[in-house]
Amino acid sequence: DQQVKQNSPSLSVQEGRISILNCDYTNSMFDYFLWYKKYPAEGPTFLISISSIKDKNEDGRFTVFLNKSAKHLSLHIVPSQPGDSAVYFCAASVSNSGYALNFGKGTSLLVTP
Amino acid sequence: GAVVSQHPSRVICKSGTSVKIECRSLDFQATTMFWYRQFPKQSLMLMATSNEGSKATYEQGVEKDKFLINHASLTLSTLTVTSAHPEDSSFYICSARGSTGVYGYTFGSGTRLTVV
Repeated sequence: DQQVKQNSPSLSVQEGRISILNCDYTNSMFDYFLWYKKYPAEGPTFLISISSIKDKNEDGRFTVFLNKSAKHLSLHIVPSQPGDSAVYFCAASVSNSGYALNFGKGTSLLVTP
Repeated sequence: GAVVSQHPSRVICKSGTSVKIECRSLDFQATTMFWYRQFPKQSLMLMATSNEGSKATYEQGVEKDKFLINHASLTLSTLTVTSAHPEDSSFYICSARGSTGVYGYTFGSGTRLTVV
């Protein structure tokens, strides 16, 4: 049962524009959310996280928005760069206290020059 | 930042043999380690959670006698795939968690296992 869903398997964006990656979750107990970037045959690299007490967290070109009532979060990348091309995984946890992460299936982002 | 080293990065083994994958936290003590596997174009699926010095907790559907996990120290966890079969071919990734912080979930670089 997929508790974290990324319904867009792929996304193509032009360099300089905004990339918006979406993620939905079903478990209302989730209170910590993370985004990871992954290249083929490599482990995921942490990008940005947000706890449920916030609705926005920003780090450079990356911003994560959380809408708890809709059980939805999104990752905004602006401006998008070709080096951002990778698979992005949304992950959620019941608590940032040792619980394992539940991952979405990922969205493959392609940023074209 | 926190670094997790996973070895080997790639291994090919014959059906029926066993393969050991190591996961080390290099600059922090990993109180908890997680093992995931990923099939092509699929999500990372949690296999098991291990805490140092105790038995691993396996997810439903994961055979604990087939996927042996040892977490004998705060910096090392191993996953042994016993009597490997071609259907065990997958990408295995470990994640180590220290006490606090944004680096709470740091991933290894993964191991591509191919069973022939």
